[in-house]
Amino acid sequence: DAGVTQSPTHLIKTRGQQVTLRCSPKSGHDTVSWYQQALGQGPQFIFQYYEEEERQRGNFPDRFSGHQFPNYSSELNVNALLLGDSALYLCASSLSGLAGEQFFGPGTRLTVL
Amino acid sequence: QQQVKQSPQSLIVQKGGIPIINCAYENTAFDYFPWYQQFPGKGPALLIAIRPDVSEKKEGRFTISFNKSAKQFSLHIMDSQPGDSATYFCAASSGSSNTGKLIFGQGTTLQVKP
Repeated sequence: DAGVTQSPTHLIKTRGQQVTLRCSPKSGHDTVSWYQQALGQGPQFIFQYYEEEERQRGNFPDRFSGHQFPNYSSELNVNALLLGDSALYLCASSLSGLAGEQFFGPGTRLTVL
Repeated sequence: QQQVKQSPQSLIVQKGGIPIINCAYENTAFDYFPWYQQFPGKGPALLIAIRPDVSEKKEGRFTISFNKSAKQFSLHIMDSQPGDSATYFCAASSGSSNTGKLIFGQGTTLQVKP
């Protein structure tokens, strides 16, 4: 049973560029949440997708956007990258109705130069 | 009100010791409290979780103690091993929020010495 997968593993971008990160949820899961984890900090909720709609959003600017596909996989897009966007981006999947029980992928390490 | 405060920031124990990590919350709507273990360069892995209708839950060497009146919960690791050396995060979420978004503590870096 495949767990949550994310791609790419690492990414280096320069300020002002745009980036797309990808996530495939655990088999049987239909909900994807995205979190940002700065070095030495706990993950911070960005947003959650269910039934291809953004269901809730954390305190992140509109430069952060996402998408969920019919197969439940998801993308996170970040525009106009800032140095402060450098972090580990984590995708978590869950089954709708089981609030809170989320399983995380290995993350994508984004470095903005 | 949305914060989860975790302590200590770091912890060193000898093999076989029982490290204890504590978390406190304010939001009484929280009703799901998981603990995650994270190794360097990896994503957090769900260890154990508890809901407020019980005061203690054990899974293998990991135990959560929950004090609803004090709004505190803690993780105990029995017979700790060097392989338990990792960063541990507590978290909380509310079932009244249909997303169950997790609010994380700041993390505790645990080192278990051989």
